Amino acid sequence: DGGITQSPKYLFRKEGQNVTLSCEQNLNHDAMYWYRQDPGQGLRLIYYSQIVNDFQKGDIAEGYSVSREKKESFPLTVTSAQKNPTAFYLCASSPLAEETQYFGPGTRLLVL
Amino acid sequence: QKEVEQNSGPLSVPEGAIASLNCTYSDRGSQSFFWYRQYSGKSPELIMSIYSNGDKEDGRFTAQLNKASQYVSLLIRDSQPSDSATYLCAVNPSNDYKLSFGAGTTVTVRA
Repeated sequence: DGGITQSPKYLFRKEGQNVTLSCEQNLNHDAMYWYRQDPGQGLRLIYYSQIVNDFQKGDIAEGYSVSREKKESFPLTVTSAQKNPTAFYLCASSPLAEETQYFGPGTRLLVL
Repeated sequence: QKEVEQNSGPLSVPEGAIASLNCTYSDRGSQSFFWYRQYSGKSPELIMSIYSNGDKEDGRFTAQLNKASQYVSLLIRDSQPSDSATYLCAVNPSNDYKLSFGAGTTVTVRA
């Protein structure tokens, strides 16, 4: 079954802690994206990557970091520098030269 | 001015009626437009994409694009309770494979 998986479904962060959200896809898509969604708001782009070992900042990259060591994996780390991390985090992917993006099920991050 | 604007709703329609959702965008050079449906607590799923002026129909859904007026709309015919969700409009404003999303319109179909 092809698709995008995100884990965990829920994640709790303590103050000052870094946490990593997992995103894996077996669709053989080249591009991957991370978005943040706050209640009543649209999706805001955090980081994106179009090829392995390369990624670019989106509109709200401060306090986040990513890596793209494998085509199928694009983990997002929420660092302690992100002061308001509570949100729904969505990972998406798309084939090369195609704008249509397909989303994983999301991770809800909560602060303790 | 936001890149993509949608009426936030909520939009309440009776079962069987037509739901009409509107979206305007600011970048006149945008070429690709998408509608996603998002159920509460779930991730967005693609309903339709449209690239050319005019109408595009897929089942009970019709997307309409007018690049001169910079708006794209979605019509849901014969609305069903299962259509109750938030609908997100997405635009590719710079043709570099990034999408800008509107805040979404929440639709409630009442039986």
